[in-house]
Amino acid sequence: QITLKESGPTLVKPTQTLTLTCTFSGFSLSTTGVGVGWIRQPPGKALEWLALIYWDDDKRYSPSLKSRLTITKDTSKNQVVLTVTNMDPVDTATYYCAHMGEQQLVPTAWFDPWGQGTLVTVSS
Amino acid sequence: AIQLTQSPSSLSASVGDRVTIACRASQGISSALAWYQQKPGKAPKLLIYDASSLESGVPSRFSGSGSGTDFTLTISSLQPEDFATYSCQQFNSFPLSFGGGTKVEIK
Repeated sequence: QITLKESGPTLVKPTQTLTLTCTFSGFSLSTTGVGVGWIRQPPGKALEWLALIYWDDDKRYSPSLKSRLTITKDTSKNQVVLTVTNMDPVDTATYYCAHMGEQQLVPTAWFDPWGQGTLVTVSS
Repeated sequence: AIQLTQSPSSLSASVGDRVTIACRASQGISSALAWYQQKPGKAPKLLIYDASSLESGVPSRFSGSGSGTDFTLTISSLQPEDFATYSCQQFNSFPLSFGGGTKVEIK
């Protein structure tokens, strides 16, 4: 059974850097084709893809946020970390991490399953 | 970047109704589309991938169709547990993108 859980601060101040950790079980990020993605959802709004990292350390970012995002993995700890610099109130959202599987060793790019999410509020 | 437009943004339906939700891509994405269901306060759940492949464990009343730019999610007979928000996601190319969501409410 694959599970993921996000952790990090629930409140950050404007201009601060947000660091979120996704701790997972039930799969390995050293398995060919596997990936982990981050998605966020402002209250009452749509889902927005942020970044993803694959087993081979290939990293992809949303162009609109690329300058502020960094995604890394620690395979030995079964963790993926996302940092977001220069936080602003518009970044207030629930942040999700999610597993991306493989089909016959070919990476997929849909998300299944998702972590429970963590609400991050940006306010002074 | 590929934009996904869902319609309608919300709908009211009764238990037993057939419900259809549309997702239109701003350019062709072959069959690289997934559908998710999200209930209030919960994470999204994958229903459909590759436009029409039903995720394991998802009831057969859910189905997906389409290719290119126009896609549809159909619930053949709406059940009480299906009242939720449904979102599409394209994975044809980066950046990945989601539709705006369709909220299915009780009539």
